[in-house]
Amino acid sequence: GAVVSQHPSRVICKSGTSVKIECRSLDFQATTMFWYRQFPKQSLMLMATSNEGSKATYEQGVEKDKFLINHASLTLSTLTVTSAHPEDSSFYICSARVRGGRAKNIQYFGAGTRLSVL
Amino acid sequence: KNQVEQSPQSLIILEGKNCTLQCNYTVSPFSNLRWYKQDTGRGPVSLTIMTFSENTKSNGRYTATLDADTKQSSLHITASQLSDSASYICVVSDLRGGADGLTFGKGTHLIIQP
Repeated sequence: GAVVSQHPSRVICKSGTSVKIECRSLDFQATTMFWYRQFPKQSLMLMATSNEGSKATYEQGVEKDKFLINHASLTLSTLTVTSAHPEDSSFYICSARVRGGRAKNIQYFGAGTRLSVL
Repeated sequence: KNQVEQSPQSLIILEGKNCTLQCNYTVSPFSNLRWYKQDTGRGPVSLTIMTFSENTKSNGRYTATLDADTKQSSLHITASQLSDSASYICVVSDLRGGADGLTFGKGTHLIIQP
């Protein structure tokens, strides 16, 4: 199956710093990537949809100035958590949809990034 | 509102035993249903995907069923192994496509004891 690489797998940072998370589709092109957030024992919550070459679409309640998304190529999307605070501590997961796969909405998930803000 | 309900919330069984996880949904219009396995601290990994016309699909010791009339699905795990300990998430896709067309269940947390 298709492989999505997410990096880093874990990051610990001080409050007020910014953290960048990368999501790469290794063996396929992904015109659309998605960013999720997951709290312990909860479902994945969609934060934003990232389209290559255009602005990301954010879900209601997600601050676009705090969670900056860049989808510069067909294989890379980045999520930057700006001025991180302890409440931003969470598990962030990206997924990538196979190009031309909108009909079935086939998505492949990254391994996730555990963010801990001190 | 589209919803996906999973049961049980958590389950503990002995290694080698079988188990069945349930998923009920109210997603409409229905496109497909997938089961994912999510190990602790990892991203979800797809186990099966079924469309409207498919009643059952297997992936090794995992067998998923779908009843589109009653809007129910089950995931049966045969001869459980310690490595099966994980959360199992039911995800239903509607015909809108895009991530906003996905509805996630909260998952069943499965623990396999030796």
